[in-house]
Amino acid sequence: QKEVEQNSGPLSVPEGAIASLNCTYSDRGSQSFFWYRQYSGKSPELIMFIYSNGDKEDGRFTAQLNKASQYVSLLIRDSQPSDSATYLCAVNIAASKLTFGTGTRLQVTL
Amino acid sequence: EAGVTQSPTHLIKTRGQQATLRCSPISGHTSVYWYQQALGLGLQFLLWYDEGEERNRGNFPPRFSGRQFPNYSSELNVNALELEDSALYLCASSPPDREYYEQYFGPGTRLTVT
Repeated sequence: QKEVEQNSGPLSVPEGAIASLNCTYSDRGSQSFFWYRQYSGKSPELIMFIYSNGDKEDGRFTAQLNKASQYVSLLIRDSQPSDSATYLCAVNIAASKLTFGTGTRLQVTL
Repeated sequence: EAGVTQSPTHLIKTRGQQATLRCSPISGHTSVYWYQQALGLGLQFLLWYDEGEERNRGNFPPRFSGRQFPNYSSELNVNALELEDSALYLCASSPPDREYYEQYFGPGTRLTVT
């Protein structure tokens, strides 16, 4: 079992819809969880991080964490074509080291 | 606030040569991380430096090495380059509070080995 798993996609959503990106992790001791956005050929950009169960909202983005189910998700409301990118889930499993999933490619269609 | 910077942007080397990549963290950040991202693959953790010391190392051979300088900048060295070392090398930094370990990435160095 991979430490951090994501569906590779592509996930295709129409403009204006909600995009839902999911991530599961294997280590119950994980403390903090991160979502990065990576455009093709560019470096990852930190969008949000979450460390408590529940929801955390920042603009059009909402991160959701369920430690009992070992599940973290990212919702993007009112999806825009500029949101088309690969979204990487990262989990702090051992102190300071982040383990990344392989990413979900999101396509927002007009 | 300036972000993480990396140099050079692109680097072309031939097999067997050595490559040196450089990274300057965000001001006030003390930890530097190095990752390799081969084309179409995920981020693979290479090295973590904090306060001048190597704290953790990924599953890479010893020809991948580095160091961190007193000003917290860092250098990644790859010796005896192989074709499969061609990748985007990313540096990230994080602040010293170590509460959440969030990392901020630089633009990367694209290394091509021919």
